[in-house]
Amino acid sequence: DQQVKQNSPSLSVQEGRISILNCDYTNSMFDYFLWYKKYPAEGPTFLISISSIKDKNEDGRFTVFLNKSAKHLSLHIVPSQPGDSAVYFCAASAVIGSQGNLIFGKGTKLSVKP
Amino acid sequence: EAGVVQSPRYKIIEKKQPVAFWCNPISGHNTLYWYRQNLGQGPELLIRYENEEAVDDSQLPKDRFSAERLKGVDSTLKIQPAELGDSAVYLCASSLVGTGYYGYTFGSGTRLTVV
Repeated sequence: DQQVKQNSPSLSVQEGRISILNCDYTNSMFDYFLWYKKYPAEGPTFLISISSIKDKNEDGRFTVFLNKSAKHLSLHIVPSQPGDSAVYFCAASAVIGSQGNLIFGKGTKLSVKP
Repeated sequence: EAGVVQSPRYKIIEKKQPVAFWCNPISGHNTLYWYRQNLGQGPELLIRYENEEAVDDSQLPKDRFSAERLKGVDSTLKIQPAELGDSAVYLCASSLVGTGYYGYTFGSGTRLTVV
């Protein structure tokens, strides 16, 4: 059973507009959430994270929102740039249950068109 | 500083042959992970080391997969014999502390194709 779900395999956005990537989770023990970005033929790179005690974390053009009651988080990219085109993975961690290991979703491929 | 280094980048082998992947983590990172990423999927943990001890190998198919981490630094992941379903990208990652809270640093991965 997938504990971290990214239900949109792909997303296409125009340059300059907002990109919103969504992630749902089922394990209520998760207490830390991260987003990773992956370019082809490279490993995933850390983008932004949020603790479960917060509902928002912002870093430049990237903002992650967490809705614990809905077990949902989203990544907003504003404004989107062509260089943001990549696969984005949502990941979650819990000290209890997953021993702090990261559990990943399947990823969403973002395409930002000029 | 150098990142997580993996080799080889690509490997093509025939089924039933053995194969090995090597990983050199970031200096000072005591936690090392091996993940497998199948096509269209997210990375899935195979094994996690704290220094030289494997603290979580519950997802490692032990009938054909083995791993070691010599002196708590470099690590090798081996498959013997390989099966067609083992075709995937094998990712190594390291972190300073043994939780996901600070994120992992991943290597570029080894893409294995079993024919």
